[in-house]
Amino acid sequence: AQSVTQLDSQVPVFEEAPVELRCNYSSSVSVYLFWYVQYPNQGLQLLLKYLSGSTLVKGINGFEAEFNKSQTSFHLRKPSVHISDTAEYFCAVIRNNNDMRFGAGTRLTVKP
Amino acid sequence: DAGVIQSPRHEVTEMGQEVTLRCKPISGHDYLFWYRQTMMRGLELLIYFNNNVPIDDSGMPEDRFSAKMPNASFSTLKIQPSEPRDSAVYFCASRASLLVPDTQYFGPGTRLTVL
Repeated sequence: AQSVTQLDSQVPVFEEAPVELRCNYSSSVSVYLFWYVQYPNQGLQLLLKYLSGSTLVKGINGFEAEFNKSQTSFHLRKPSVHISDTAEYFCAVIRNNNDMRFGAGTRLTVKP
Repeated sequence: DAGVIQSPRHEVTEMGQEVTLRCKPISGHDYLFWYRQTMMRGLELLIYFNNNVPIDDSGMPEDRFSAKMPNASFSTLKIQPSEPRDSAVYFCASRASLLVPDTQYFGPGTRLTVL
């Protein structure tokens, strides 16, 4: 069964516009949630993570995400995107220590 | 810190040939993961090791795939014989053992093309 669902496969936005990349997870147990970014021809780089504590998590490059347990969501947001934010973004969940499952990815394209 | 190192970065081979992918995890990390990324299936966990011991290989697609970790600083993923459907980007990742699950650090990947 799919553990992580990224609702949008592609998100085109204009530069300096806000963006939200959606992620929903399915789990009845405690989860640990991550957002990774993959630039072309590179490996995955951690943007931010939620392990516990505050539900609003701030990451690198001005991104933030909010853990919403009631809606089982962990959407990624940025108030103003740059051309350099163009990349593939992956939501991931860890269950049972090391069982990390990735979503299908969302390709963010920032247009000038 | 050099990060996770993978070699080669690109590999082109012919169907039936043996392919060996290599990974050097971050020093001090005792978990190592092998992933495969394709357009059709996204990112898939193939196998992971803890302290050089394979813990879960349920993601390995078939017997043609094998992985080893002879020491804490080196791991290989071997495909023998290779097939065109094995064409993908293979990532290695590592992390340190902590009380709670934490960040996996990914290598740059090996792009494998099997003709």
